[in-house]
Amino acid sequence: DTGVSQNPRHKITKRGQNVTFRCDPISEHNRLYWYRQTLGQGPEFLTYFQNEAQLEKSRLLSDRFSAERPKGSFSTLEIQRTEQGDSAMYLCASADMSTEAFFGQGTRLTVV
Amino acid sequence: AQSVTQPDIHITVSEGASLELRCNYSYGATPYLFWYVQSPGQGLQLLLKYFSGDTLVQGIKGFEAEFKRSQSSFNLRKPSVHWSDAAEYFCAFNQAGTALIFGKGTTLSVSS
Repeated sequence: DTGVSQNPRHKITKRGQNVTFRCDPISEHNRLYWYRQTLGQGPEFLTYFQNEAQLEKSRLLSDRFSAERPKGSFSTLEIQRTEQGDSAMYLCASADMSTEAFFGQGTRLTVV
Repeated sequence: AQSVTQPDIHITVSEGASLELRCNYSYGATPYLFWYVQSPGQGLQLLLKYFSGDTLVQGIKGFEAEFKRSQSSFNLRKPSVHWSDAAEYFCAFNQAGTALIFGKGTTLSVSS
């Protein structure tokens, strides 16, 4: 098992464009989390899935953000009509019921 | 409100000296407690965790942390710091299966 994988590692996009990030969790982990981290801050929770069900969404997750985990395996996070304030590191983590969360390397988004 | 406080934004320690990073949490019960480390541009690596039992927990890279219920604290310690320990350190907590709540982090610099 190679751990949590996130793609792409870096994304530069123009304001107003849509972007999509992918997270492949550790196999057999049924829980998957998305976090956002800005400079000088700790990660902030965005949303989480148990299997394919999206069980919780943070108030940080505006209407322009959507996440899916269609088959309970990989997940995607889409941001529509990106704004400069969306520039951040987007982190994915996975866990099962009895273990701590394992994080991926993150996707750094820069909106220009 | 549930929160984590890491009162030290930045700490500089001489190589070989001891280290203590402070963490206080605000939560109505005893949560699961974690310390993560993050190198620049990277994801988070788990250093150690406390779920229950012995309040002094050992982690990787020679780190340890002590849970003190009366003080709602979970301070991280290392007896002798190495230059490779320079990174950002995050304290976090959750309840089983829920999203982690992170502090804002402490940046550790190591001087020679």
